[in-house]
Order: sequence, then C-alpha cells, then structure tokens
Amino acid sequence: DGGITQSPKYLFRKEGQNVTLSCEQNLNHDAMYWYRQDPGQGLRLIYYSQIVNDFQKGDIAEGYSVSREKKESFPLTVTSAQKNPTAFYLCASSQGRNTGELFFGEGSRLTVL
Amino acid sequence: AQSVSQHNHHVILSEAASLELGCNYSYGGTVNLFWYVQYPGQHLQLLLKYFSGDPLVKGIKGFEAEFIKSKFSFNLRKPSVQWSDTAEYFCAVRGTNAGKSTFGDGTTLTVKP
Repeated sequence: DGGITQSPKYLFRKEGQNVTLSCEQNLNHDAMYWYRQDPGQGLRLIYYSQIVNDFQKGDIAEGYSVSREKKESFPLTVTSAQKNPTAFYLCASSQGRNTGELFFGEGSRLTVL
Repeated sequence: AQSVSQHNHHVILSEAASLELGCNYSYGGTVNLFWYVQYPGQHLQLLLKYFSGDPLVKGIKGFEAEFIKSKFSFNLRKPSVQWSDTAEYFCAVRGTNAGKSTFGDGTTLTVKP
C-alpha cells in the first residue's frame, strides 16, 4: 500500500540530546512537510521541501533541522536548541508544489524527560 | 501571510443534530481550502477540498462545505451527525502560490449517542 511511514511512533529523550524522526513516502510525491501538533494549537509548519535537495523554513523552524537527499525521505532532527520539544510530530506529502491535498503519516510522539 | 481561524474549539452534539463548524481565512490572493479530520487513534485525512468552480463542495461521509469568497469563509456542515463523527476537525488554507498549507487550531466534535 502506498503511504507515509513515520518512525519511531513513540520516542523519549533526555534534555540536551538531539533526536531524528524518520519520514518515508512511497507515493512518488514531490513535496514533503513537517508539522508539529500541540493541544489547542492545531498544526504548525516546521519545514517543507518541494523538491530534492531544497527545503524552506516554516513558521516554527527554530531548533529543528531537515534534509532532503532523496525524494522519498524527509527526516527531521529535533535539536537541543528546541526549547519545548515535547510534542506530536506529523509528516505529510503532496503530489506537487501547487497540488494542495496533504497525505499524512501516523505521527511520532516525542517526550523529553 | 495566510492564516485560519476556527470559531469553535469544542462542540458537543447529540446524534441526529445538525452540525456547522466555522472557518475563516486570511490571504490576499487565490486560495485552495480544505477540511481534514482526525478520528481517535487514526491519522489525519482529507474530508473535502475546494479548488475552484462550484462553491458548495461535498466530501466523504455526508459532509459538505461552502466557500463564500466575500466572507473569507469555508464552513463545514452536516445535516445529521452520527456518533462515529466524533473526531477533531481542521480547516486549512493554501494560497495558490504559497506552496504550503496553514491550519486552524482545530475543533473537537463529540457526538453523544
């Protein structure tokens, strides 16, 4: 089945540690996105990429980094500089830059202890 | 910049009641509009979308939404809700040249059997 796979589903880390969340898609979509979901705040865009080897900051990029070396992969690193990293992280993709419908993964829940 | 405002944070209805969830957006150009739904324990999925043409769009499970350009609104409606409609609903806007979607804070709908 085509879709988006995020891993791990649950992750715990200690303060001061970086952690990388994986996102893989087999939909052959050009664009990929990372959102953060917090209760009562909806989804906020962290980073997005419309093409391989290119990405743009979203609304809350501070403390995060990404790479897009392959079309199907868009990993997100939550660095120690992110002041409030405990959250639910959602990866999404869309077919192209101007096709709006997003397809989402099941999410990764990060808890910082 | 584009933004979305959802008027209701939590709505509680009895089965068979009618539903209308408010959504207003802000963007200075042409937009695509979406409603996404997140059922308990499931990933976000598209409920319906508006790109152009008939401003009244129909989605899955009997939902519909009306785009009123003069009011910058895209309200979601359903004539008769079911217990299975219990979920969180997100309105999203994507400026056609923006390359990214912006989400509202979400509305949690609880339907009592």
